[in-house]
Amino acid sequence: DSGVTQTPKHLITATGQRVTLRCSPRSGDLSVYWYQQSLDQGLQFLIQYYNGEERAKGNILERFSAQQFPDLHSELNLSSLELGDSALYFCASSVGAGGVFFGPGTRLTVL
Amino acid sequence: QQQVKQSPQSLIVQKGGISIINCAYENTAFDYFPWYQQFPGKGPALLIAIRPDVSEKKEGRFTISFNKSAKQFSLHIMDSQPGDSATYFCAASYSTDKLIFGTGTRLQVFP
Repeated sequence: DSGVTQTPKHLITATGQRVTLRCSPRSGDLSVYWYQQSLDQGLQFLIQYYNGEERAKGNILERFSAQQFPDLHSELNLSSLELGDSALYFCASSVGAGGVFFGPGTRLTVL
Repeated sequence: QQQVKQSPQSLIVQKGGISIINCAYENTAFDYFPWYQQFPGKGPALLIAIRPDVSEKKEGRFTISFNKSAKQFSLHIMDSQPGDSATYFCAASYSTDKLIFGTGTRLQVFP
């Protein structure tokens, strides 16, 4: 158990819908990262927040957005969902130089 | 410049053998090189990591070898066990920035 929690574990929704994925980082970790893992794309970095501020952006679609709240938990919002958005979404956290720890993931299925 | 190239894509090893996975990077600013182990349906778990000021790091049966001049690093799993069967990802990052992942190696260890 990495100490990073993610909810929900599974999410099934329809095209065009909007969903919110939630992440609680390890206690004391200020950085939160979101990654998308699909079969043909590997682990793709989406976005990083540090202590509430956006720090880095990867290949995140404009339909996707994220935020980190004062209590350091983070949410990833996915809207206008398409079939191709079906993937595993991982949240990870770090305190800095000590390593990046991943949560168990949310499996999103878009039908 | 941001890529991390990983090989082989898949690896089959006999129980008790040595598993070797290789990665190469281009960005000389990278200063943190972790390896992750991922079981199906689970989040990547941090296995071992190295910084470029050392050439080798060993933790139990897992060893990272690092060649700064060649911009290559590798994971050696000694005395491979069936329980080691998983997908392994190398990664690289600069300071506390996002991790850039390799494409993964699916390891199968047969009894």
